[in-house]
Amino acid sequence: AQSVTQPDIHITVSEGASLELRCNYSYGATPYLFWYVQSPGQGLQLLLKYFSGDTLVQGIKGFEAEFKRSQSSFNLRKPSVHWSDAAEYFCAVGAQGDYKLSFGAGTTVTVRA
Amino acid sequence: NAGVMQNPRHLVRRRGQEARLRCSPMKGHSHVYWYRQLPEEGLKFMVYLQKENIIDESGMPKERFSAEFPKEGPSILRIQQVVRGDSAAYFCASSPIAGVADTQYFGPGTRLTVL
Repeated sequence: AQSVTQPDIHITVSEGASLELRCNYSYGATPYLFWYVQSPGQGLQLLLKYFSGDTLVQGIKGFEAEFKRSQSSFNLRKPSVHWSDAAEYFCAVGAQGDYKLSFGAGTTVTVRA
Repeated sequence: NAGVMQNPRHLVRRRGQEARLRCSPMKGHSHVYWYRQLPEEGLKFMVYLQKENIIDESGMPKERFSAEFPKEGPSILRIQQVVRGDSAAYFCASSPIAGVADTQYFGPGTRLTVL
C-alpha cells in the first residue's frame, strides 16, 4: 500500500528566506508524486507533479521539488518566500492510470515579516 | 470558470443526526471523487462517482455513509446517524477524464463537527 509522511507539522519562516518542506513516500513501483497547496478558504491547488524524467521539477509560484528514489523523498523548495505563501502544503502519491491519491497529513507554513 | 464548489463550508451536527454534504463539479467535469481528512491525518480516498454511477466506493465506511451523483444537480455525500468520529474535513474533487490523478481539481472542503 502506498503512504506519505510529512515529518513537519508546522514551519515558520521569515519573508525572503528559503523554504524546504519534506515528504517521504512508500510505494512499490514508480510513484506519481504531487504537491498541493491550500490557502485559507480555498481548495487544494496543484503546485507541481512528477511522473518520470528529470528528477527536478518546476511548478507554479516559484516552487520546485526534487525526486530522490534512493531516499524515497520528494521535497518541496522555494528560494525566497513571500507572505502569500503562508498556507498548508500537502504531498501526495498516486499510481499510473489510477485516480486514487494518498496524502500526507500536511505542513502548515507561517511567514513572518 | 468557477472551480469546484462545496457547501456548506462548515456543518455542525449532534450525534444521531444526518449530515448532507454537497459538491458541484467544475463545468464539463463528469467525474467526482470524495476524500476525508481526519484530524492530523492526510486526505483519504472514499468514493469515485460518474454521473448516476458509483465506480469505486472502496474507501467508504460500510455503514451509515452513502454517495450519489445524479444526472442533474450536485454530488451528495450523506452520513446517517453521525458519531463524533465522523468529525473531519470532507473534500470533493472533479475531473474531466477518468483514471488520471493529475487532472483532479479540489474544492475548499466541508468541515463537519459532531457534538
